[in-house]
Amino acid sequence: AQSVTQLGSHVSVSEGALVLLRCNYSSSVPPYLFWYVQYPNQGLQLLLKYTTGATLVKGINGFEAEFKKSETSFHLTKPSAHMSDAAEYFCAVRITGGGNKLTFGTGTQLKVEL
Amino acid sequence: GAVVSQHPSRVICKSGTSVKIECRSLDFQATTMFWYRQFPKQSLMLMATSNEGSKATYEQGVEKDKFLINHASLTLSTLTVTSAHPEDSSFYICSARDGERGGLNEQFFGPGTRLTVL
Repeated sequence: AQSVTQLGSHVSVSEGALVLLRCNYSSSVPPYLFWYVQYPNQGLQLLLKYTTGATLVKGINGFEAEFKKSETSFHLTKPSAHMSDAAEYFCAVRITGGGNKLTFGTGTQLKVEL
Repeated sequence: GAVVSQHPSRVICKSGTSVKIECRSLDFQATTMFWYRQFPKQSLMLMATSNEGSKATYEQGVEKDKFLINHASLTLSTLTVTSAHPEDSSFYICSARDGERGGLNEQFFGPGTRLTVL
């Protein structure tokens, strides 16, 4: 079975600083990987996804993530944090042939300070 | 495109009553819908997968008689929490899969329903 580990339940950065949210996955077959953002009392919004092909994936709001098979990682980055980036971020994995089921990590709360 | 709505956004009910939550795909046909539960400060846990016109598939540990799911049309799925108790208080989120879009068949998430059982 697949699983997702997000290191750091809380990350705090200064506005303008680099954002790095870590995600490691476990899967016996090639995975599809996702990052979602959730604002308070709202559903999830897809930031970006990796399926096949280019390992560096660019998403919305200036975020990007790199799939590293050797490290089983899919870390999310943004060069310069903005106050509006403060939210909960979830990494998720879906295995091919897995019936479209998503397995989510425990989430990382991003705080952006002035 | 690919908008999913949920109704109600918030509901407060008394213990022992039943509550119905609706999930609608507004601009696409959803062959499959998923229901998740999220406790405060925690991740989403898949409760069940709902396919239009057939019985839902529940995840291990989820009581199907307590959480009734109906997917009667390609744009509507409902979750009914029967005989609700305070421990059922949670944030319930649905997602819908667009069966007509090729490739990944991405899930689109609704805004969630906050259930509070007194």
